[in-house]
Amino acid sequence: NAGVTQTPKFQVLKTGQSMTLQCAQDMNHEYMSWYRQDPGMGLRLIHYSVGAGITDQGEVPNGYNVSRSTTEDFPLRLLSAAPSQTSVYFCASSYGSPSGSYEQYFGPGTRLTVT
Amino acid sequence: GDSVTQMEGPVTLSEEAFLTINCTYTATGYPSLFWYVQYPGEGLQLLLKATKADDKGSNKGFEATYRKETTSFHLEKGSVQVSDSAVYFCALSDYNQGGKLIFGQGTELSVKP
Repeated sequence: NAGVTQTPKFQVLKTGQSMTLQCAQDMNHEYMSWYRQDPGMGLRLIHYSVGAGITDQGEVPNGYNVSRSTTEDFPLRLLSAAPSQTSVYFCASSYGSPSGSYEQYFGPGTRLTVT
Repeated sequence: GDSVTQMEGPVTLSEEAFLTINCTYTATGYPSLFWYVQYPGEGLQLLLKATKADDKGSNKGFEATYRKETTSFHLEKGSVQVSDSAVYFCALSDYNQGGKLIFGQGTELSVKP
């Protein structure tokens, strides 16, 4: 199993550009989520999905869109990039919700810089 | 809302020293508690977890006990190694809050030979 894969690893955008961060998992996990990691703030949840066709907002959803058309893929779209979106983005998946104490498996991250 | 507070880093220790990283939480319900570790340049990995009061999670020589009376989940290891150098995150998940994972800010540990 490849686990959770993310592309690209690094990206530089100009303010106002749009792009999609890709995330895929091959573990048949129902639950997937996107986090951003900023210095001194830990990880903050952006959006999550409990299954194909179902998504919901997390703590910091503004400026980001998601969709879940298949179990395997959960792309994150930046509609109009802003410098405040400079961060490291992690995708994670798990068999079930974390409240059921299911382990979340994290991808290697995408480091995004917006100038 | 629910939150997690960790001791500030960075923490620098010599090899074979005793490690404690403090973690306290606030939650409205009965959360599950986790420690995740992030090695340089990698994503997070689950280190250990506990799902109810007085449970002890353990893995790779690390331990943490779920203390409801003090709302704490401190991470300990008796003898650290250079390979333990990483960032450690305490986290909780509360069914009453939709089961989302809420992280502390992370504590960077550096172990010197």
